[in-house]
This record gives sequence, C-alpha cells and structure tokens, in this order.
Amino acid sequence: DAKTTQPTSMDCAEGRAANLPCNHSTISGNEYVYWYRQIHSQGPQYIIHGLKNNETNEMASLIITEDRKSSTLILPHATLRDTAVYYCIVRRRGPNAGGTSYGKLTFGQGTILTVHP
Amino acid sequence: DTEVTQTPKHLVMGMTNKKSLKCEQHMGHRAMYWYKQKAKKPPELMFVYSYEKLSINESVPSRFSPECPNSSLLNLHLHALQPEDSALYLCASSHDLSGRLTDTQYFGPGTRLTVL
Repeated sequence: DAKTTQPTSMDCAEGRAANLPCNHSTISGNEYVYWYRQIHSQGPQYIIHGLKNNETNEMASLIITEDRKSSTLILPHATLRDTAVYYCIVRRRGPNAGGTSYGKLTFGQGTILTVHP
Repeated sequence: DTEVTQTPKHLVMGMTNKKSLKCEQHMGHRAMYWYKQKAKKPPELMFVYSYEKLSINESVPSRFSPECPNSSLLNLHLHALQPEDSALYLCASSHDLSGRLTDTQYFGPGTRLTVL
C-alpha cells in the first residue's frame, strides 16, 4: 500500500473549517484514500473514503486532486470535540486487494488536530 | 448499531499470569481484527479473522493467542507477557474481507493493558 505524509500537528479555531492535508504521491490506480480519527483514549473512528471523486458525508468532505497524489479532509465547522489524531490511509480493497483480500489498515503517524475555543 | 465492545477496560497482570481480552460485535460482521497501540504511536495490526478462521497473523509472538469462538466474539489470550507488551489493545470488525460491500472497520474502545 502507498505511503502517506501528513503534518505532525495543526490548530484550528472553533467554528472554522479545518483542512487537513495528506500527500500520497505513490498511490496506484486501485488504491483508495481513507480517513480515520482517534480521539484521546478511544478507538479509531472511520470518517470518509474515496477513490478519485470528491466525497462528502455528515462528518466531513474529502477532496482528492486530479492526479490523486494528494487529498484534503475538510471538517466544515470544527468543534472542540473534533480534537483528535487524524489518520490518512491509502489501501487497496476488493477481491484483488493484495491477493489475500484482507482489509489491513496501516496507520501512519497522523496529524494531531487541536481545536481552540 | 455500530458498536464494538471490549472487556475489560483496564487490565493489570504479572508476567506469570494468564488473562484474556474479550471483544464482541452484533453487526453481523464476519471479519474481526486485533490491533496493538503503544503510547503515542499509531495502531498496528496483529491478527485478522475471516469467518471465524485466522486469516492473518502479523508475526505476533506466541504469548498472544487469538480465538474466534463464533461470529460475534473475538478473544485474545495472554500468557507470560513482558512489560513491553503494555499497550492499548484494540478490536475492530468489518462486514467481510471481500471488498464487495463497505469495508469500514469499526473499532472498540480498547483494553488498556499493563504488564508488571
């Protein structure tokens, strides 16, 4: 699976949009971009994923560049409860996902997002 | 219901003890996972079960012994652990491994293990 690069930490004011970048310049055509987050002392929580089109759900939006070498997770109106470590993960999925078809998540170091009042 | 439960929340054990961690889900998921997370590090995959059969063992030492007695339960049996095994142990589940349906992994809150 392709490696990702994320900033170590970011700050955001409450109520403002939080834009978290992720670089995945070695991504291949059958690899998806996933975002999970982990609030302190809790298990990771799925946020969103996409292949090449932009995606939006009730939690966030995912913007993937046309060349798919980078993406941005957008939390439109950050709250204090969004303070967490955000992980960008690139991985294959489906019957051809690495031969064994297992859904391995390889977490990088992630971005520590701190939302300030 | 997208809940994965784990018990106990905290566990302290000596190096000669035998203990077990338990994970349960009632979402009908057929893939279940154990991850280990050391302090200030990301989670690392240990085991994957698919339809109650061990699918992946990420070269985990034999002092960790997983078990999947049925489709809702996943156990991790611990024996002769070392202090460096102290960590947060996370369980997760997903629909299955085929990728034909959503493969979102749902995580439990974890068991905080301390080995003395």
